Amino acid sequence: EDKVVQSPLSLVVHEGDTVTLNCSYEVTNFRSLLWYKQEKKAPTFLFMLTSSGIEKKSGRLSSILDKKELFSILNITATQTGDSAVYLCAASTSGTYKYIFGTGTRLKVLA
Amino acid sequence: GAGVSQSPSNKVTEKGKDVELRCDPISGHTALYWYRQSLGQGLEFLIYFQGNSAPDKSGLPSDRFSAERTGGSVSTLTIQRTQQEDSAVYLCASRTDRDYTFGSGTRLTVV
Repeated sequence: EDKVVQSPLSLVVHEGDTVTLNCSYEVTNFRSLLWYKQEKKAPTFLFMLTSSGIEKKSGRLSSILDKKELFSILNITATQTGDSAVYLCAASTSGTYKYIFGTGTRLKVLA
Repeated sequence: GAGVSQSPSNKVTEKGKDVELRCDPISGHTALYWYRQSLGQGLEFLIYFQGNSAPDKSGLPSDRFSAERTGGSVSTLTIQRTQQEDSAVYLCASRTDRDYTFGSGTRLTVV
């Protein structure tokens, strides 16, 4: 059965800290991995990763995929209170457009 | 439209009643998904529409759930004889080649 596991389930840090969120996957015919930030109801897109070892960066956020070890990490540097959210990762498979989501990591950044 | 629109944003219904949730995807997006997010859970896939192909209904939890997409655009998710365990946020997403765009969801509460 395809599955995506995220860790930690929750995390509390102080402003300015750096955090690393983990996403491991076991997906048949893996195609891509996506990261989302969910603050209220709707997730917002952060990154899509298809190639191993290539870091994607957006401001203080960066992400990388390891297709050999079947995981991805999302790094947030110099965290701010506005980074508080649930971070979701999802994996997709070739031949289907069904994305399998993890349960998310709840990040809380304290001022 | 500029984004994915869902209505209503909130719905409280009595156990046993039927409800209809509406999703208006981004114009031109041929792929449309419904997900359910229960408290503290990840996103649970419900159904996927792609163009004129038969929908992938493999995620629908029971035969009380059905969905249709008229004219390749607006989609309606119908839950018949609602149960308390149906209470959740129902998210719709439409897809480009790169990523999803989610609607803001419908929060369904069955009392």
